[in-house]
Parts: sequence; C-alpha cells; structure tokens
Amino acid sequence: AQKVTQAQTEISVVEKEDVTLDCVYETRDTTYYLFWYKQPPSGELVFLIRRNSFDEQNEISGRYSWNFQKSTSSFNFTITASQVVDSAVYFCALSEILTGGGNKLTFGTGTQLKVEL
Amino acid sequence: SQTIHQWPATLVQPVGSPLSLECTVEGTSNPNLYWYRQAAGRGLQLLFYSVGIGQISSEVPQNLSASRPQDRQFILSSKKLLLSDSGFYLCAWRGTGLYGYTFGSGTRLTVV
Repeated sequence: AQKVTQAQTEISVVEKEDVTLDCVYETRDTTYYLFWYKQPPSGELVFLIRRNSFDEQNEISGRYSWNFQKSTSSFNFTITASQVVDSAVYFCALSEILTGGGNKLTFGTGTQLKVEL
Repeated sequence: SQTIHQWPATLVQPVGSPLSLECTVEGTSNPNLYWYRQAAGRGLQLLFYSVGIGQISSEVPQNLSASRPQDRQFILSSKKLLLSDSGFYLCAWRGTGLYGYTFGSGTRLTVV
C-alpha cells in the first residue's frame, strides 16, 4: 500500500524566516504524481503543485520551492521569507492507481505551519 | 469552465438522524469522483470513489454510503448518524489538466 509521511506535526516560525516542510512517500508504481496542498482555516484545499515521477527538476514559484528526490523518496516544500498569510495546514499527497479503475490521492497527515510576527 | 459544487457548508445533526451531502461538477463529463473525510486529527481519508454512473467503491467500512445517480452528481448518505461521523467532508473530482484533482469547499458536519 502506498504511504505518505509528514513527520512534522506542527512548525512555528517568525515572519521572514525560511521553513521547509518534509514529505516522504512509499509506492510501488513506476509512474506517479506528487502533490502539495494548502488548507487555510476556511478548510478549502488549495492546490500548490503537481510533480510527475519522471520529472526530478526542482521547481520555484515565487517564495515557494520544491525539492523532489526520487533516490530518497522525498518531495520537500520550502517557503522563503515566510509571511503570516502562509499560516495553514499543508498536505503532501501521492496518486495511486486503483484496481477498480481510476486513481486516488493518498494524503499525509499534514503539517500545521504557524507564522508569527 | 470546470467547477465543483458541494453543499451544505455546515451541518449540525442529532445522533440517529439521516444524512445526505451532495456534490455536483460542471464543465466535464464522466469524471472520477471522490468523497474524503477529515477528522479532528487533520488527516484526509478517502471514503468512496466512483469512476462512472452507479459505480461506487468503498475504501473503508463505515456507517456511510455513496451513490452516483447521474454522471456529474455524487451523494454521500447515512441512514443513522453516529457521533464518530463528525468531521469535514470534501468532494473531489479528477481532471486531466495540470491540477489533477479539484476539491469542493467542504461540509463541516457535527453530530450531537
């Protein structure tokens, strides 16, 4: 069975600090997708990034960057110069092919990020 | 454009009462549809998924059921709610674009 581990339950930082959220995954699939979602207090899941297993290039989007390392099965997320608005729960997820057809996302347990002034 | 609607946003129901949560998508056909639940511990657990009309697969045994009466409609139900059914329920559909999965705004269910 597939598994996503986010070992950091909660992280607190002061505004403008850099912070890295860890994600480690397990899968037997050779082709898969990894995702990061942000869940603000309102509860809605906000898509941040999708990464194909064949694309190991790191990606940067503004203050966000992602480090995908297949050798260590990790897909870490870094926020540079954190801001209070970054406070949220962040989920890492892995796509899984279902025997009945289609696929699903397996989520980690999430990391609560608190950015304080 | 492709959108997903989920309602109601919040719901307070007594133990033993029935439940019906509805999710509809627009702008796509034959989507894969999903019901997730997020309990107080934050983790998201897949409850049901559907790859077509009338096709429902359950991931975990529970007090809930799901139905897909129409291509773009996915319903989560219960005949008698339990306290443990409280949580945040999210509907999602899987597209083929960059984002892959789109989630509804969620229903916060409190069983009292």
